[in-house]
Amino acid sequence: KNEVEQSPQNLTAQEGEFITINCSYSVGISALHWLQQHPGGGIVSLFMLSSGKKKHGRLIATINIQEKHSSLHITASHPRDSAVYICAVETNFGNEKLTFGTGTRLTIIP
Amino acid sequence: EAQVTQNPRYLITVTGKKLTVTCSQNMNHEYMSWYRQDPGLGLRQIYYSMNVEVTDKGDVPEGYKVSRKEKRNFPLILESPSPNQTSLYFCASSLSLTSGRETQYFGPGTRLLVL
Repeated sequence: KNEVEQSPQNLTAQEGEFITINCSYSVGISALHWLQQHPGGGIVSLFMLSSGKKKHGRLIATINIQEKHSSLHITASHPRDSAVYICAVETNFGNEKLTFGTGTRLTIIP
Repeated sequence: EAQVTQNPRYLITVTGKKLTVTCSQNMNHEYMSWYRQDPGLGLRQIYYSMNVEVTDKGDVPEGYKVSRKEKRNFPLILESPSPNQTSLYFCASSLSLTSGRETQYFGPGTRLLVL
């Protein structure tokens, strides 16, 4: 079993829909990251969370440390949000090592 | 412009021929890291460095070497490449805080094919 599991693996939605991508992990972590990989391959960091919730524009990330679960939400989705969203956890305190989920491929249809 | 650069972007080589992929950042970041990305396996960390002359293994370090002689550069060395090292490689950097990293900046990726 992978240390970091994402669901769904693939998600197709209509423009404007509210999107939720989930990330569960099985180990103790010091922080969790959400990344976005564009169709061209470039990777952008979206959030780093160690507790609570962060918001940037239409993107919201939450984490529940007790339940070992994080969600990434996209409000008013747009075709330009189509990308692979990747969750990653720092599994060793002070070690700064990252373990990644395999990603969720999101497609937003106009 | 703040950026991480990698060179080359694309490389085709043959088994056993030593190669180096360079990575450079202009943000004075302490933390740098190398990842490989393979279909179905996602991103996996190869090596990382928390500062000059400080490097450590990630999850898949076998067959790779790194060095961090200067803060801005973190080259990835394949001493004797093999076909199973065919992959997409990313370098990344970030500020290193006592509790972990903030936003990581990724390079554009290097696509390597080992024949």
